[in-house]
Amino acid sequence: GEDVEQSLFLSVREGDSSVINCTYTDSSSTYLYWYKQEPGAGLQLLTYIFSNMDMKQDQRLTVLLNKKDKHLSLRIADTQTGDSAIYFCAETSPNSGYSTLTFGKGTMLLVSP
Amino acid sequence: EADIYQTPRYLVIGTGKKITLECSQTMGHDKMYWYQQDPGMELHLIHYSYGVNSTEKGDLSSESTVSRIRTEHFPLTLESARPSHTSQYLCASSELLAGNEQYFGPGTRLTVT
Repeated sequence: GEDVEQSLFLSVREGDSSVINCTYTDSSSTYLYWYKQEPGAGLQLLTYIFSNMDMKQDQRLTVLLNKKDKHLSLRIADTQTGDSAIYFCAETSPNSGYSTLTFGKGTMLLVSP
Repeated sequence: EADIYQTPRYLVIGTGKKITLECSQTMGHDKMYWYQQDPGMELHLIHYSYGVNSTEKGDLSSESTVSRIRTEHFPLTLESARPSHTSQYLCASSELLAGNEQYFGPGTRLTVT
């Protein structure tokens, strides 16, 4: 089946930029998402990008998509301690009939003061 | 803010008991999902539904069952709980149209002793 890969852990200092990377295998992926999960909570959709876009910016968040390399990244500017959480990359495509999402295993972001 | 609710939030129960985890949403979404999240953070889709009277098995085989008698309600049942069922269970919903942006509930943390 299709796969989504992420690094498991990232540690940054408050005020720095964080970049979380994700790679996927399904070349027909149409929608790609970033979700955030805080301790003891469900997942919260942060942002998404369509496959016909290269970049999307939303306040402190910047999503970059490289379709050729099947690489997606999430950049968080001026990272705050409240950004400490698990971040999941996910995709959906016609291969699944857009019926389900394929999630990565999550990247734990730790922001130190 | 997403209106999707799960009860109970925490449940500790003995082996062999029957349990039902409740999930309800007030957004009128046709599609609903159940995920199992292991301590290593990875999400596994165990059930989903396209609408009333529709249920589908997910990627991970599960001994649980689901029903969808009403659009807003998608309960998950374990007939006989075992320690291997100890996990975090997340419910989600989305609109039927392509895009599949999923809204998650806060989760139920189940411990079977």
